[in-house]
Amino acid sequence: EAGVAQSPRYKIIEKRQSVAFWCNPISGHATLYWYQQILGQGPKLLIQFQNNGVVDDSQLPKDRFSAERLKGVDSTLKIQPAKLEDSAVYLCASSLAGGPNEQFFGPGTRLTVL
Amino acid sequence: AQSVTQLDSHVSVSEGTPVLLRCNYSSSYSPSLFWYVQHPNKGLQLLLKYTSAATLVKGINGFEAEFKKSETSFHLTKPSAHMSDAAEYFCVVSQSGGTSYGKLTFGQGTILTVHP
Repeated sequence: EAGVAQSPRYKIIEKRQSVAFWCNPISGHATLYWYQQILGQGPKLLIQFQNNGVVDDSQLPKDRFSAERLKGVDSTLKIQPAKLEDSAVYLCASSLAGGPNEQFFGPGTRLTVL
Repeated sequence: AQSVTQLDSHVSVSEGTPVLLRCNYSSSYSPSLFWYVQHPNKGLQLLLKYTSAATLVKGINGFEAEFKKSETSFHLTKPSAHMSDAAEYFCVVSQSGGTSYGKLTFGQGTILTVHP
């Protein structure tokens, strides 16, 4: 079974530029999550999708971050404009359903904002 | 509300000696608890999970954890450390009800170093 795929693996941009990350979850997984992991901290949930609908985006900085999952499969996370404090690893995870189920994580995208 | 506290940011052991990584949690509802491991430049991998069945949970690679409700703890142990165990470990709580139903809250992580 293929795991969660993410691209790119690394991205370096200057502040005020925009950036987009892509995630392809495990086939058949209805629930998709985006996390932000700042160096030295545990991952923090940014947004949760159930199929193509948003379940929880309470921690998403909506003035600069956006995410979509139009067909209920792949998802993109965008930052526009980026700030220095957005430097982090962005993790995508998926699970069969919501609730306290095991989440399967991708390798992450490491973003550096200069 | 839910939260997780990992009591040690770094743990260092010698190969072949026991490992203990400590975790305390807080949850308004019956929690599900997980331990994830993260090797450098790799994704998070589930080690084990507790979901209100047996309080002693066995996971992969010889790890186990015991759920102690009275102490609100979920410590991770392994009888004998291996060099390949060197990684960062995250204790995670998920609530079974309320507005945070199913939401994972991660601890700050414990970096395990294994010396030869």
